[in-house]
Amino acid sequence: RKEVEQDPGPFNVPEGATVAFNCTYSNSASQSFFWYRQDCRKEPKLLMSVYSSGNEDGRFTAQLNRASQYISLLIRDSKLSDSATYLCVVTLSGGSYIPTFGRGTSLIVHP
Amino acid sequence: DVKVTQSSRYLVKRTGEKVFLECVQDMDHENMFWYRQDPGLGLRLIYFSYDVKMKEKGDIPEGYSVSREKKERFSLILESASTNQTSMYLCASSPGTGVQPQHFGDGTRLSIL
Repeated sequence: RKEVEQDPGPFNVPEGATVAFNCTYSNSASQSFFWYRQDCRKEPKLLMSVYSSGNEDGRFTAQLNRASQYISLLIRDSKLSDSATYLCVVTLSGGSYIPTFGRGTSLIVHP
Repeated sequence: DVKVTQSSRYLVKRTGEKVFLECVQDMDHENMFWYRQDPGLGLRLIYFSYDVKMKEKGDIPEGYSVSREKKERFSLILESASTNQTSMYLCASSPGTGVQPQHFGDGTRLSIL
């Protein structure tokens, strides 16, 4: 079983739609969670951290469900510029703080 | 703003060559990482380093080595390049305190012919 799993998609949505991705993780000792965005042929860039209480940044909302071991990313009012691959990242508590990346979910927002 | 600089965006080498990929960060970060990214496989960790002269193997270290002689610089070395090492290589850095997000370089697209 992969440590961090994401639906690769692609998710094809029209502009203005709301779309949500989930990311499941297998290690219950995981402590820190992030969402990264990666544009085609570019490097990953931090989108947002995911806090236990959930957090929101404009049109983006990230949530953590420890009981079911998944994190989610919700994008409201999708823009064409949101088209990208979204990577979830999970880090174990203590130890080496080595992050584990999911393989990413592809989002395509069309006019 | 954190800047992670990789020496080349595109590189073409031949099988058997020794290849050096350089990465420099300007934020005094303790942690540095080398990944490769391939379609369908995502980011895979090759090596990482917590401090100068320290290195740890990641998930796929075979065929690679690294060097960290200075805090700001982390080099990835392909001892004898092979065609299956054709890939996008990404360097990243992060502060050493607790869990912090990583900052990535632009990547080096390496082709081994």
